[in-house]
This record gives sequence, structure tokens and C-alpha cells, in this order.
Amino acid sequence: KNEVEQSPQNLTAQEGEFITINCSYSVGISALHWLQQHPGGGIVSLFMLSSGKKKHGRLIATINIQEKHSSLHITASHPRDSAVYICAVSNTDKLIFGTGTRLQVFP
Amino acid sequence: DGGITQSPKYLFRKEGQNVTLSCEQNLNHDAMYWYRQDPGQGLRLIYYSQIVNDFQKGDIAEGYSVSREKKESFPLTVTSAQKNPTAFYLCASSPGGSNYGYTFGSGTRLTVV
Repeated sequence: KNEVEQSPQNLTAQEGEFITINCSYSVGISALHWLQQHPGGGIVSLFMLSSGKKKHGRLIATINIQEKHSSLHITASHPRDSAVYICAVSNTDKLIFGTGTRLQVFP
Repeated sequence: DGGITQSPKYLFRKEGQNVTLSCEQNLNHDAMYWYRQDPGQGLRLIYYSQIVNDFQKGDIAEGYSVSREKKESFPLTVTSAQKNPTAFYLCASSPGGSNYGYTFGSGTRLTVV
């Protein structure tokens, strides 16, 4: 079993829909990261959080430390949100990555 | 603007040849990392360095080597001993420690033929 599990693996949505991507982990962590990978391959860091909730524009990330679970929400989704979203956790001095959720938003 | 530069973006090599991937950062970050990405798998750590002139093996270091002679540079050599080198390679950096964010490069796609 992977230490970081994401669901769903693939997600399609119509423009404007509310999207949720989930991440569960089984190890102790100091922080959880949400990353975005576009088709070109480069990765952008969206959020780093260790408790509660963070919001940036249409993106919201929450974490429940007791349940070892985090969610990434996208409100009013847009085709430019199409990407792979990756959850990663900081464990000691390393990152442990989930396998990613591929999101496609259609107009 | 500060960031990480990986070059080249695409690289082709013949089997049995060593190849070096470049990673340069101007963020003044102490820690640098190399990851490998294969289809359907999460990124896996190859090597990391927390300070100049020091580095540690990650989870899949066999067949790879690194150096950290300068703070801003962390090149990765894929040697002929790496059995399956075709992959997407990502470099990252952070100020150091587990409570800081990471900055990623744009990656190098290596194809060995």
C-alpha cells in the first residue's frame, strides 16, 4: 500500500463545476503539499499546509491531521485548470508523493 | 526572477553512454533534490543534498551519481549502470528542513535508444 494515496486517479468535469481531489496518508508528517503539473512536465507548488485550510483564488486546500486526510477543491473550474494534481507529504527531510490525479475540464 | 533551470528539456542518448542532466538554482536554497517520474508512479527520490559538498542517496540511487560543488548547482549523471534510464527527471530545491516549500524545475525528458 502506498504511503500517500490520491483519489480519483482521473477526473473529467464541465467548465464551472466544483471539483474535489482527495489525499490520504499513512505516515507522520510535518506538512502536506499540493502540486500542479502541466503537460509540459514542470511542477508548480500550490499549497503547503500543516493544519486547517488555505485559499488562493479559486483553489482551497484543507487538511485533517487526526484523520490523515487532505482535500483540494477547485471552484468554478476552467479548462486552464486541466493538469495533474499531486499530493505530497514532508516526512523528515524528504517528500513522499502520491501518484497524482489527472483533471480534464471541458468547455 | 528566481527559480530553477533544468537543461536540456529533451535528451536522447544511446544505450551504454553516460549522460549528465543540469540543474541550477538562483534562490540561495541550501537543499536540492533529484526525482524520477515514470508513468503511473509517484515521483521517486534519486539523490538529495542539504549542503554544499555533501549529498545522500535517495530511494533509487543505483545507476546514478551527483555532485554538489557549488550551492547553486546539482548535476545528475545517469550512468550506463542504470538499467532503465528512460524517464522524466525533475530537480527541486528548498531552503532546507521539512517545513519549507519546494521549488521545482521544468524537467528533462531522457530517452535512451
